[in-house]
Amino acid sequence: ETGVTQTPRHLVMGMTNKKSLKCEQHLGHNAMYWYKQSAKKPLELMFVYNFKEQTENNSVPSRFSPECPNSSHLFLHLHTLQPEDSALYLCASSLYRGTTEAFFGQGTRLTVV
Amino acid sequence: KNQVEQSPQSLIILEGKNCTLQCNYTVSPFSNLRWYKQDTGRGPVSLTIMTFSENTKSNGRYTATLDADTKQSSLHITASQLSDSASYICVVNAFMQGGKLIFGQGTELSVKP
Repeated sequence: ETGVTQTPRHLVMGMTNKKSLKCEQHLGHNAMYWYKQSAKKPLELMFVYNFKEQTENNSVPSRFSPECPNSSHLFLHLHTLQPEDSALYLCASSLYRGTTEAFFGQGTRLTVV
Repeated sequence: KNQVEQSPQSLIILEGKNCTLQCNYTVSPFSNLRWYKQDTGRGPVSLTIMTFSENTKSNGRYTATLDADTKQSSLHITASQLSDSASYICVVNAFMQGGKLIFGQGTELSVKP
C-alpha cells in the first residue's frame, strides 16, 4: 500500500447523478493531485492542491469540482457527467508540489451510463 | 506529439527472460525521471527515480538507465516473473513547468509461463 486511499474503488453513475470521490493520505504530504486515466492514454493531470490551495486546473470542465478541506483529504465532486468521462480517476500526493516523490492511490473506476 | 514517448507499446515475453523498455523524452530541463509500475485497475507504484545527473538506478530486478545527452531512458527487467505483468510508465518531472509530471503512455508487459 502507498499510504494514499481512495474510495469508492468502483462507481457507476447516471448522467443526471451527483457523486463524490474521496482521497485521503496520512503521509504528512502537502500537495495532492487528481489525475484522469483513459484507456491507452497517458495520465492527464486535472487539479493540484498545494497546502490546501488549488494551484492548477488543467482546463477541466466544471462538471468536475474539487475540494480540499485539509491537507489530508481531497474530494472530486461529480455532476451531470458524460459517458466519455468514464475512466480511472487517480489521486496522488507528494511532500511538496514539484520535484518530490508522488504516491498514488488505487484509483476509482468510474463508469457513466 | 507527447513529450514522453515509450516503446514498445506492448511486449510479451516468457517467464525467466529479460526485457528492456524504452523511453524517449523532449522535456528539458527536467528535475528527475521516474519509472512506475501499474497493475491492471490499480494506481502506479514507483520503481525508480533518477535525477538528471544519475546514469543508473536499481531496485531489485529492475534497473533504470538515463542518458541526459540523448534524452533516453530504459528500464531493464531481469529474470522476469509472472507478477511483472503490468503497464510500465515513464514520467519526467518538468523543471520549467512548475515541477509538472509529464507521463508517457506506458508499455504493456505480459509475462507468460
